[in-house]
Amino acid sequence: AQSVTQPDIHITVSEGASLELRCNYSYGATPYLFWYVQSPGQGLQLLLKYFSGDTLVQGIKGFEAEFKRSQSSFNLRKPSVHWSDAAEYFCAVGATNKLIFGTGTLLAVQP
Amino acid sequence: DSGVTQTPKHLITATGQRVTLRCSPRSGDLSVYWYQQSLDQGLQFLIQYYNGEERAKGNILERFSAQQFPDLHSELNLSSLELGDSALYFCASSARQGENSPLHFGNGTRLTVT
Repeated sequence: AQSVTQPDIHITVSEGASLELRCNYSYGATPYLFWYVQSPGQGLQLLLKYFSGDTLVQGIKGFEAEFKRSQSSFNLRKPSVHWSDAAEYFCAVGATNKLIFGTGTLLAVQP
Repeated sequence: DSGVTQTPKHLITATGQRVTLRCSPRSGDLSVYWYQQSLDQGLQFLIQYYNGEERAKGNILERFSAQQFPDLHSELNLSSLELGDSALYFCASSARQGENSPLHFGNGTRLTVT
């Protein structure tokens, strides 16, 4: 069965520093992968998605993610974090008629 | 704004009661999903409808039921409520169904059972 693991529950970075959030998936075939962000009191917003092709995908708000089949990973990156990026980030894998989400990584940004 | 509308935003009710959560999908989306988000369980898939028909079921309790109406809006009914049902309930929609369908989420209904 498909599953997603986000090893980091909580991460703190300084504003302007680079960011990498980890995501590992379990899936037998080529997965459909997604990253979402949830700000306090808000719903989940789609940042980017990977279906096939180029393993480096660009998303909104300056985020990108790289699909690495050999490592079963789909890590989210941003070169320079802004205070407004503080939120919870969820990785998800497509399954039959649903998305399966990881447990999320809460990002705090220090000034 | 995702285009998915959920009402009400907040709901406070007592144990044993029944509530109905409502969702209007994005214009043109045929598929509706319901998720429950709680601190201990994370984001749990409950149920999915496509063009009025139930297509997938997750860890939805027997006390919970849902439907999608001909105008594509959906309702999630929660009955015999327990304290543990307190959570954020999200509705999401997509244009189609399948593993490669991005979901667009509403802002959720926060249910508090006292």
